[in-house]
Amino acid sequence: EAGVTQFPSHSVIEKGQTVTLRCDPISGHDNLYWYRRVMGKEIKFLLHFVKESKQDESGMPNNRFLAERTGGTYSTLKVQPAELEDSGVYFCASSQRAGTPTNEKLFFGSGTQLSVL
Amino acid sequence: QKEVEQDPGPLSVPEGAIVSLNCTYSNSAFQYFMWYRQYSRKGPELLMYTYSSGNKEDGRFTAQVDKSSKYISLFIRDSQPSDSATYLCATSILAGKSTFGDGTTLTVKP
Repeated sequence: EAGVTQFPSHSVIEKGQTVTLRCDPISGHDNLYWYRRVMGKEIKFLLHFVKESKQDESGMPNNRFLAERTGGTYSTLKVQPAELEDSGVYFCASSQRAGTPTNEKLFFGSGTQLSVL
Repeated sequence: QKEVEQDPGPLSVPEGAIVSLNCTYSNSAFQYFMWYRQYSRKGPELLMYTYSSGNKEDGRFTAQVDKSSKYISLFIRDSQPSDSATYLCATSILAGKSTFGDGTTLTVKP
């Protein structure tokens, strides 16, 4: 079974440019999460999709970040325009819609390393 | 103040040692407790998952949760060089939306 796939694995862009990150969750996983780790900080929650609907976007830093999940399958995270402080590793994770919350387990992708110069 | 504080490390132990990794948390509403292992240039991989207080054992790994003191631990018995990685504790109120510690880097020397 394929795991969570993210690409690109690395992206180097200049301040003010636009970058789009993509995540392909495990097939059949309704839940999709974006997390981010900036240098020297802990991994932080950004947002949560259930199928194509945004369930919780309380962690999105500002309106320069836009996440979409087309048809409840893959998801994209666009940063426009990128700022220096957006540099970090962006992780995507997915999980099945379990019968009870106690059974939900996250599977993470390898992340996209974003460097804004 | 961070909601989850993790012993920073780094930690270096000889092969075969018992390893203890620890975190404290501040929000009493947390009810899901996880330990992840992360190898270099990879994403976190779920190692242990506990709902509420108690102990959970899986092979050489034991996770403990003490909600009264808001303390979570991971013990690794008979540590192996392949256990060398960064270990992340995480907690959540709602399953899936997790709050992470900073991570502890462990090196097990042959």
